[in-house]
Amino acid sequence: AQSVTQPDIHITVSEGASLELRCNYSYGATPYLFWYVQSPGQGLQLLLKYFSGDTLVQGIKGFEAEFKRSQSSFNLRKPSVHWSDAAEYFCAVGPLYNQGGKLIFGQGTELSVKP
Amino acid sequence: NAGVTQTPKFQVLKTGQSMTLQCAQDMNHEYMSWYRQDPGMGLRLIHYSVGAGITDQGEVPNGYNVSRSTTEDFPLRLLSAAPSQTSVYFCASSLTSGGADTQYFGPGTRLTVL
Repeated sequence: AQSVTQPDIHITVSEGASLELRCNYSYGATPYLFWYVQSPGQGLQLLLKYFSGDTLVQGIKGFEAEFKRSQSSFNLRKPSVHWSDAAEYFCAVGPLYNQGGKLIFGQGTELSVKP
Repeated sequence: NAGVTQTPKFQVLKTGQSMTLQCAQDMNHEYMSWYRQDPGMGLRLIHYSVGAGITDQGEVPNGYNVSRSTTEDFPLRLLSAAPSQTSVYFCASSLTSGGADTQYFGPGTRLTVL
């Protein structure tokens, strides 16, 4: 069955430090992969997505993610974190055509930023 | 354009009450869906629609009804609210249900059922 795992429920980094959020997926073929960010009390905003081609994907707000087929991973990175990056981050795979276009989300990683 | 809008932002219900969560999009998207978000479980699909007049169930449809009379609107109805339906509800839309189309999410409705 398809699934997405975000191993880290909560991460704290210092402002200016680098960030890597992990995402592993289980899928029968090369998936479409997404990272969304949810600020407190807000909806989900798409950071970036991978469909095919270059395995290093650039997104908004200085984020990037790398697709590694051999590791079934799609980790999100940012070289220097800003306090405004504090939010919850969701990795997702899909959409699943035989399940109504559903996106499968990971459990989310909450990011805290220390001053 | 406003994107995906949802009303209300917050709602408190008593067990057994009914209500409708509103969702609208102004991007002429064919595909719309409803998710619920619960702590530690990510988002789970409740119902979806691939166009006006066409709806279908997602993975957690029990206790919810939907209809799609126009392209723009996709309301979610709770028939008889239960405490297990306490959650944050998100509406999403995309041009189609195809993989190349980004799903855009509304700001959410936080529902508490007492």
